[in-house]
This record gives sequence, structure tokens and C-alpha cells, in this order.
Amino acid sequence: NAGVTQTPKFQVLKTGQSMTLQCAQDMNHEYMSWYRQDPGMGLRLIHYSVGAGITDQGEVPNGYNVSRSTTEDFPLRLLSAAPSQTSVYFCASSGRAGGTEAFFGQGTRLTVV
Amino acid sequence: AQRVTQPEKLLSVFKGAPVELKCNYSYSGSPELFWYVQYSRQRLQLLLRHISRESIKGFTADLNKGETSFHLKKPFAQEEDSAMYYCALLSGGSYIPTFGRGTSLIVHP
Repeated sequence: NAGVTQTPKFQVLKTGQSMTLQCAQDMNHEYMSWYRQDPGMGLRLIHYSVGAGITDQGEVPNGYNVSRSTTEDFPLRLLSAAPSQTSVYFCASSGRAGGTEAFFGQGTRLTVV
Repeated sequence: AQRVTQPEKLLSVFKGAPVELKCNYSYSGSPELFWYVQYSRQRLQLLLRHISRESIKGFTADLNKGETSFHLKKPFAQEEDSAMYYCALLSGGSYIPTFGRGTSLIVHP
């Protein structure tokens, strides 16, 4: 099993550009989430999904969109990138079959210039 | 709303010294507590959870409901323990964890 796969690993954007961070899981997990990791701030929840077709906002949702059309995929869209969105982004999945453990992708290091 | 507090940003110890990483939480119900670890440039992974009551890589953590704490302990630190440690909480039947800000542990030779 691949687990949780994120692409790309690294990305540099110019201010105002848009892009999509991809996240896919092959564990048939119901729950998926996006976090951003910033020094001194820990992991902050951006958006999450409790199943296909259902998404909700987390702690820091502004500037980001998500959708969940399938169980496997949960892309994160940056609508108009800003320097404040420079961060490391982690996707996670969890589900009843896996117990309560969250499984993480390898992260996407995004720089907005 | 639930909250997880890790008061130390950085903990620096020498090899063989005891280690305690602090975690306090606020939640009115019965939470499920975890410790996740992130080694340099790697993804986060589960270290241990309170319901398992097990020792992983020499680390243990006990849930103290009276003090609302879930401190991570190891009697003798090793250099390979150097990593970022996150305390996390699940509440109210949710499968989406709330994380603390993390503690960076550095173990010097």
C-alpha cells in the first residue's frame, strides 16, 4: 500500500498564481484533512472531509478551497497565492478501519514569492 | 472547543539524560490522546496513543485526567530521538486530530 501520497513535494509560486496540491490515499479512509505547518505554530487545520461530497472548514481556511469527489482524493486549491501561504502542507487520512491513527503524506513545501 | 498546549518549543538534553515533553489539553469530555513524531524531513508518524498504554522506542505517556496532561517521558535519551514531537487530541467521536504547536527535541552526544 502506498498510504497517503502528496504531489508535488516542492513548489515555488508567484504572488497571485493559483495551484492545486494533490492528495490521494489508498486505505479507503473516510476522513481526510489538510494542515499547514509553520515554525512555532505547529500543525493548523485548513480544511477537512468526513466523506465523499462532504467538506468543512478548519482553523485557517481563508485562501484555500477543497473538494472531495471520491473517497481517495482530496485536493487543496490555492486561489490566489500570497506570501503568507508560504508553508509546509500535510495531507492526512484516517478511518474506522485503521483505528483512530492519522496517516500523513510526505508534505509539500510551498514558497510564494 | 478543544485545545492542546505544548509549553516548550525546544528541549535540549545530553545523551543518557531523562526526557519529559509536556502536553496539556482542554476538553470537557473524554479525549483520546496521541503523540506523533516527525524526524528530519520525514512525514509525521504515530509514536503512541494513550489507550494502548504501551512503550514505543522507550517512550511512555500516561493520561492524567485530573491534571489534563499527557506528558511524554523517556528515562535515557538517545541521539536518534532528536525530532519534532506533537501532542494531538481526538474528541467527540471525530477522527480529525487537533495538534499542539510541537516541541523540538535535540539530543546532544
